[in-house]
Amino acid sequence: AQSVTQPDIHITVSEGASLELRCNYSYGATPYLFWYVQSPGQGLQLLLKYFSGDTLVQGIKGFEAEFKRSQSSFNLRKPSVHWSDAAEYFCAVGAFGGGSNYKLTFGKGTLLTVNP
Amino acid sequence: DSGVTQTPKHLITATGQRVTLRCSPRSGDLSVYWYQQSLDQGLQFLIQYYNGEERAKGNILERFSAQQFPDLHSELNLSSLELGDSALYFCASSAMSTGELFFGEGSRLTVL
Repeated sequence: AQSVTQPDIHITVSEGASLELRCNYSYGATPYLFWYVQSPGQGLQLLLKYFSGDTLVQGIKGFEAEFKRSQSSFNLRKPSVHWSDAAEYFCAVGAFGGGSNYKLTFGKGTLLTVNP
Repeated sequence: DSGVTQTPKHLITATGQRVTLRCSPRSGDLSVYWYQQSLDQGLQFLIQYYNGEERAKGNILERFSAQQFPDLHSELNLSSLELGDSALYFCASSAMSTGELFFGEGSRLTVL
């Protein structure tokens, strides 16, 4: 069974500073990897995804993530954080089973606070 | 707007009661998923339906049940409610080929 670990429960950065959110996954095969963002009172919005190919993927809102198979990691980065980026961020790993069976497993999330 | 619609947005009820949460997936998506989000458990996968048939089960309690109808909308039924069932319940849908899920805005259930 797949699993996801987000080691940082809460991160605080200053506006304009760079950001890196960590994600480690456990899965036997090549995973489908995702980052979602959840603003207060909102649903989850997809930031970016990795299926195969180039290990550096670009997403919306200036975010990028790098898949490192050797480290089982898929860290999310942004060069300059904006106050509007304050939200909770979830890493997820997806796996197909047989017969249209698909499961997306989420980490516990990292809450991002942005100081002015 | 993800295209996934959930109703109601908020629901307050008492212990022992039964509620039904409704989800309309994105147009064309055959797969529907239900997740529960709580402070202590995080986002927990409950159940997946594909074109009307149950495909995968997660940490869904026996007091909870779901179904997907021929028009592809889905309902999550929660019965004999307990205080600990208070949570945000999300529905998501997907086009299976892409693996990404599109989430609704959730139904917030408060059990008093």
